[in-house]
Amino acid sequence: RKEVEQDPGPFNVPEGATVAFNCTYSNSASQSFFWYRQDCRKEPKLLMSVYSSGNEDGRFTAQLNRASQYISLLIRDSKLSDSATYLCVVTLSGGYNKLIFGAGTRLAVHP
Amino acid sequence: EPEVTQTPSHQVTQMGQEVILRCVPISNHLYFYWYRQILGQKVEFLVSFYNNEISEKSEIFDDQFSVERPDGSNFTLKIRSTKLEDSAMYFCASSGTVSAFFGQGTRLTVV
Repeated sequence: RKEVEQDPGPFNVPEGATVAFNCTYSNSASQSFFWYRQDCRKEPKLLMSVYSSGNEDGRFTAQLNRASQYISLLIRDSKLSDSATYLCVVTLSGGYNKLIFGAGTRLAVHP
Repeated sequence: EPEVTQTPSHQVTQMGQEVILRCVPISNHLYFYWYRQILGQKVEFLVSFYNNEISEKSEIFDDQFSVERPDGSNFTLKIRSTKLEDSAMYFCASSGTVSAFFGQGTRLTVV
């Protein structure tokens, strides 16, 4: 089983749509959780950390369910500039903060 | 805003040659990493470096690879004898506590 699994997409949505991405992780010792964004041929950029209580940053909402080992990202009111690949990332406890990446979910927002 | 910088942005080398990829991590960070991403694939962990030594390495990081922090600012990845399959984007990252920040990457092409 993959350490971090994501639906590869692509998700093709119109501007203004709400879109949700899901991610599951296999190791129950996973300690920290993030969503990164990667534009084509660019570096991953931290979008937001994910906390057990759920957290929101503007149009972006992240949720974590430790019991189900499941992470989600909700994007409201999609913009053209949201088009990118969204990477689900976890770290393990005692793992020197090594990031374990999912393969990413591609989002294409069209006019 | 502090950032991780990498040089060169693109390197073309002949198979069997040695390459050195260079990185300047964010100055007050303590953990340094190298990741690679083969075109179309996910970001893969290579090695983490803490307190002037390797703290963890992946199966990919075999004897052909080495890392060094030759002074207080630079962090290098050396590939001793490059193979065609080493062609990839190599990302350096650094972190202070948990979340990591990535450099813009070096695209290595082995011909």
